[in-house]
Amino acid sequence: QVQLVQSGSELKKPGASVKVSCKASGYTFTSYAMNWVRQAPGQGLEWMGWINTNTGNPTYAQGFTGRFVFSLDTSVSTAYLQISSLKAEDTAVYYCARSPSSSNTHFDYWGQGTLVTVSS
Amino acid sequence: QLVLTQSPSASASLGASVKLTCTLSSGHSSYAIAWHQQQPEKGPRYLMKLNSDGSHSKGDGIPDRFSGSSSGAERYLTISSLQSEDEADYYCQTWGTGTYVVFGGGTKLTVL
Repeated sequence: QVQLVQSGSELKKPGASVKVSCKASGYTFTSYAMNWVRQAPGQGLEWMGWINTNTGNPTYAQGFTGRFVFSLDTSVSTAYLQISSLKAEDTAVYYCARSPSSSNTHFDYWGQGTLVTVSS
Repeated sequence: QLVLTQSPSASASLGASVKLTCTLSSGHSSYAIAWHQQQPEKGPRYLMKLNSDGSHSKGDGIPDRFSGSSSGAERYLTISSLQSEDEADYYCQTWGTGTYVVFGGGTKLTVL
């Protein structure tokens, strides 16, 4: 069955970097797009962007350019989200979510989420 | 601009039915959407993809109590025979040309 398993919670200081992983299983990794979604405490879902797992080409939503990088390691069916120069407002749960097509449409599977806390 | 609008809250009694609404912005009434459920302290779960003609395809293991329908720019999620575990936030999601994604603000459903 399809599974997206994310790395564990992280506690980081302002200015540091963090890399969140999302390991996929149960399907052909490079045939389906992978998205990243942020949920700040008590807030709704916010789309960060997606990565074409076939070409490696990332697309970033407005507000998620510069400090945010999507990457892949197709040899281990894993997508990554790296955030640099962390700020307190980056404190959130980050989800990966699969889109059931090579382009990007709806999301049919979600990771369990990774809590990133930024605090001095 | 592609926008999804949801009421912030809804409530219904245990065993009853409830219909949640997601409204597409002007000029986007032909768009499909997806519904996702987020139970307290859990990650989102995909419920279904809902087309403009009301046809829908549900995710794995989603009970028959969950159904979708459409009318114009409105997309609906109906939950029948409400159970306590249906108390959750419900988000609609759509996607535009150029593959960008939009979420609605979510509806918090309280089961009384």
